[in-house]
Amino acid sequence: KAGVTQTPRYLIKTRGQQVTLSCSPISGHRSVSWYQQTPGQGLQFLFEYFSETQRNKGNFPGRFSGRQFSNSRSEMNVSTLELGDSALYLCASSLGLVADTQYFGPGTRLTVL
Amino acid sequence: KNQVEQSPQSLIILEGKNCTLQCNYTVSPFSNLRWYKQDTGRGPVSLTIMTFSENTKSNGRYTATLDADTKQSSLHITASQLSDSASYICVVSAFLGGNEKLTFGTGTRLTIIP
Repeated sequence: KAGVTQTPRYLIKTRGQQVTLSCSPISGHRSVSWYQQTPGQGLQFLFEYFSETQRNKGNFPGRFSGRQFSNSRSEMNVSTLELGDSALYLCASSLGLVADTQYFGPGTRLTVL
Repeated sequence: KNQVEQSPQSLIILEGKNCTLQCNYTVSPFSNLRWYKQDTGRGPVSLTIMTFSENTKSNGRYTATLDADTKQSSLHITASQLSDSASYICVVSAFLGGNEKLTFGTGTRLTIIP
């Protein structure tokens, strides 16, 4: 079974630009969660989508948005990039049940210059 | 405020030795506690998930314990190997409003030296 895939793996943008990251979950998984990881803050939860609906949301500004398609693939968009948005963005997929194992992708390394 | 604190922040041990990582939490209402291993440059990989009724759970050389009364968990690694060098992240889940909310610790960076 193929694991969680994320594209692109690396991205360099400049301040003010916008970016879209993509995540393909494991086949059969209906939940996709997005996280931001920085050395100082650790893993921070962005949002979770389940069956095309946002089910949970973290404490990030509205510049961070996402969506999920009918095939469970998910995209995350960050508009008006700031230097502080430089981070590893991870997505994780699961069946979406309580105490369910999350499977993480390799992440997208975003650098904002 | 829900919080998860891990200690130590970093640890260096010799190959073959045992070690124990700690996780204290103030998450409520508690649903489950997870330990993840994250190799440098990779996404985290789940090691164990424990619910309220479970005191201990093993995954090979990794054994996690949970004391729900004191809100503490530990991850014990036996006979460490070089491949155990990684960050270990404790995650505690609260079940609120019909949804599961995860709170992440900042991790313990473990380095195994030959």
